[in-house]
Amino acid sequence: AQSVTQLGSHVSVSEGALVLLRCNYSSSVPPYLFWYVQYPNQGLQLLLKYTSAATLVKGINGFEAEFKKSETSFHLTKPSAHMRDAAEYFCAVSDDRGSTLGRLYFGRGTQLTVWP
Amino acid sequence: EAQVTQNPRYLITVTGKKLTVTCSQNMNHEYMSWYRQDPGLGLRQIYYSMNVEVTDKGDVPEGYKVSRKEKRNFPLILESPSPNQTSLYFCASRSSGGGRTDTQYFGPGTRLTVL
Repeated sequence: AQSVTQLGSHVSVSEGALVLLRCNYSSSVPPYLFWYVQYPNQGLQLLLKYTSAATLVKGINGFEAEFKKSETSFHLTKPSAHMRDAAEYFCAVSDDRGSTLGRLYFGRGTQLTVWP
Repeated sequence: EAQVTQNPRYLITVTGKKLTVTCSQNMNHEYMSWYRQDPGLGLRQIYYSMNVEVTDKGDVPEGYKVSRKEKRNFPLILESPSPNQTSLYFCASRSSGGGRTDTQYFGPGTRLTVL
């Protein structure tokens, strides 16, 4: 079965600092991985997804994530944080079983706070 | 505009009073799903539907019902709500053409409080 673990339920950075949000996955088959962002009082929005085409995936708003099979990781990064990046971030993995193909399993989320 | 809509956005009710949260998508997606979001637990799937008249349980289906009579609509029904169903609910949809790689689109959420 697929699962993801997000290390750190809260991350705080100063504006302009590097953002690093951690996600490790567990999967018996090559995983398909997603990062979603949830701004206050809104639904989830796709930031980026890994579908095996390239290990470094670029997403919206300057975010990117690197798939590392040896470390079973898919960490999300952004070189320079903005105040508008303050949100909750979710990592998810897509199921591979026939009856539930494509179902997403989410991590518990990481709340990003950006200080001025 | 492609979107998933949910109504109502906010709802306060009392224990035992039946309620329905509606969900509608305009993208002709086959797959639809309901999640609940609770602090520290992330999103947990309640029910999903692979297509019209095809529904199945997710991880936390107890106390909920769904139906899929039309492709665009996937209502969530709480026959007898209880306080432990106080939560933030999201509806989502995606196409089935790409299998595991298709993006799931989320509604804006319904915040439910059961007193």
